[in-house]
Amino acid sequence: NAGVTQTPKFRVLKTGQSMTLLCAQDMNHEYMYWYRQDPGMGLRLIHYSVGEGTTAKGEVPDGYNVSRLKKQNFLLGLESAAPSQTSVYFCASSYPASLGSNQPQHFGDGTRLSIL
Amino acid sequence: DAKTTQPNSMESNEEEPVHLPCNHSTISGTDYIHWYRQLPSQGPEYVIHGLTSNVNNRMASLAIAEDRKSSTLILHRATLRDAAVYYCILLAYGSGNTGKLIFGQGTTLQVKP
Repeated sequence: NAGVTQTPKFRVLKTGQSMTLLCAQDMNHEYMYWYRQDPGMGLRLIHYSVGEGTTAKGEVPDGYNVSRLKKQNFLLGLESAAPSQTSVYFCASSYPASLGSNQPQHFGDGTRLSIL
Repeated sequence: DAKTTQPNSMESNEEEPVHLPCNHSTISGTDYIHWYRQLPSQGPEYVIHGLTSNVNNRMASLAIAEDRKSSTLILHRATLRDAAVYYCILLAYGSGNTGKLIFGQGTTLQVKP
């Protein structure tokens, strides 16, 4: 039972390069999220999706794009990487929230991205 | 989004209880109180959540003040593995809720052997 799997675990990019981070979940969750965490800080939401084919912006969406073509996958893209995007990226997934229902988010182990 | 206030850091001795406080004076009626923790070099993991009544699970207990303006996460016997950053987060439930978590800086718990 893998849960939430993030690929790759580490990556070093040069400024201006592009890349895609993959998040895969095997729990049949509707909701998926991408967060970033800078040193000594809490997580900040980049983008999220409430279902296949839908995406929405979070707190810090600039410089990132996302796609949710399949329910189990959520992709985060950096079109032109900048040093300010050096961070640890976490993906999470959950069932839809509702009154009285416990729907915790399940997180992956993160992708550590450095941009030189 | 309602905000929470937590101490930056706390220390505990192994096998002793730990009480982690959280203030949320602007909490609304539909806000649930969630706790997550983040072990070093890992993603956050869910600990517990509650609305009005105290809650217990295998990991911890959550004590919620009668006016709901504060809560306390209780670890009954701290172990070295409980050393982590603990986040107290308010999450409104209702139709259209997207489950977005707003993380603060949390409380860094150190557990001494």
